[in-house]
Amino acid sequence: DAKTTQPPSMDCAEGRAANLPCNHSTISGNEYVYWYRQIHSQGPQYIIHGLKNNETNEMASLIITEDRKSSTLILPHATLRDTAVYYCIVMVWGTSYGKLTFGQGTILTVHP
Amino acid sequence: AAGVIQSPRHLIKEKRETATLKCYPIPRHDTVYWYQQGPGQDPQFLISFYEKMQSDKGSIPDRFSAQQFSDYHSELNMSSLELGDSALYFCASSTSRENTEAFFGQGTRLTVV
Repeated sequence: DAKTTQPPSMDCAEGRAANLPCNHSTISGNEYVYWYRQIHSQGPQYIIHGLKNNETNEMASLIITEDRKSSTLILPHATLRDTAVYYCIVMVWGTSYGKLTFGQGTILTVHP
Repeated sequence: AAGVIQSPRHLIKEKRETATLKCYPIPRHDTVYWYQQGPGQDPQFLISFYEKMQSDKGSIPDRFSAQQFSDYHSELNMSSLELGDSALYFCASSTSRENTEAFFGQGTRLTVV
């Protein structure tokens, strides 16, 4: 799996958009970009994923650059409950199916 | 909606004892994954199963074994427990179809004393 690089920590004011970057410059054409978050010792929570196109769901938006070497997770209106560790993971579906390899994520702290 | 169920939620064992963790996947999910998360660490992949067959193996100690049963639930068996096995153990499940997502349970916190 390709390696990802995320900032160790970010801050965001409540009600503002949180934009979390991820660099995956060695991503291959069949690798997906997945985002998960983990709120203190809870099970990781799926947020969103994409291959080439930008994606949006009820939780967030995922913007993938045209060359696919980086992406940004956008939480449009951050709340205090969004404080968590956010993981960007690139993964290819194969004989390992949906195996996720967690690296160092971004600790997002949302302030009142 | 039904989620991934793990049991027990908390477990305290003494060194050299054995432990069995159980995972019940989301209905119609045929793939199960196990992860270990030590204190202050990121989750680490241990092992996965698809249709009751091992599909991948990570940094799982030889003292650990796991299997997936005909009803798709999975069990992680841990023997000769060591203090360093104290961790959160997460199970996740997914379908085997590409472009889907895995969902995690709330984990089992194992404490070895």
